[in-house]
Amino acid sequence: EAQVTQNPRYLITVTGKKLTVTCSQNMNHEYMSWYRQDPGLGLRQIYYSMNVEVTDKGDVPEGYKVSRKEKRNFPLILESPSPNQTSLYFCASMSGQDFGTQYFGPGTRLLVL
Amino acid sequence: GQQVMQIPQYQHVQEGEDFTTYCNSSTTLSNIQWYKQRPGGHPVFLIQLVKSGEVKKQKRLTFQFGEAKKNSSLHITATQTTDVGTYFCAGLGANYGQNFVFGPGTRLSVLP
Repeated sequence: EAQVTQNPRYLITVTGKKLTVTCSQNMNHEYMSWYRQDPGLGLRQIYYSMNVEVTDKGDVPEGYKVSRKEKRNFPLILESPSPNQTSLYFCASMSGQDFGTQYFGPGTRLLVL
Repeated sequence: GQQVMQIPQYQHVQEGEDFTTYCNSSTTLSNIQWYKQRPGGHPVFLIQLVKSGEVKKQKRLTFQFGEAKKNSSLHITATQTTDVGTYFCAGLGANYGQNFVFGPGTRLSVLP
């Protein structure tokens, strides 16, 4: 079954405590992406990756890091989380050949106190 | 930078009525995608449009891509309660990298 998985699904943390949200896909997709969703703002792209070792900034990259060491994994790292990073985060993937269907993970709800 | 707007922000319809949401980009797009997100769920891909003037249909849903590739629309005929959710468009800029910019979405509620 085509799937994008994210962990954890829910996370409460405190300001400044480094955290990682994992993302994995089983479709051999080249393109992977992280979005955050906030009320009234829709989805905003944080970072995306066209392939292994190739990452680029989206619209709101400040305060986030990513890495793409393997094709299937694309972790999102918050080195020093702040309360304004409280949000719902989605990982997504799709074929890099012609884009097409973008599959989203179930989401990670993050609260930074 | 590229901006994508959607109208209306909210739409309440009676079951059986039609519904349309409009998407406008500040820049020319290479393609546009449409998604549906149910309350508490994740976005689900509906369709991708690539060609200028393209029209695609999926049962009661009709998608259009403008001639100038800067606007798009989604029309639902005879809405059903299962159509409830938020509809997003997402554009890939023609002159930018490979980052998608989403519109803020149109939330549709359908009264039975």
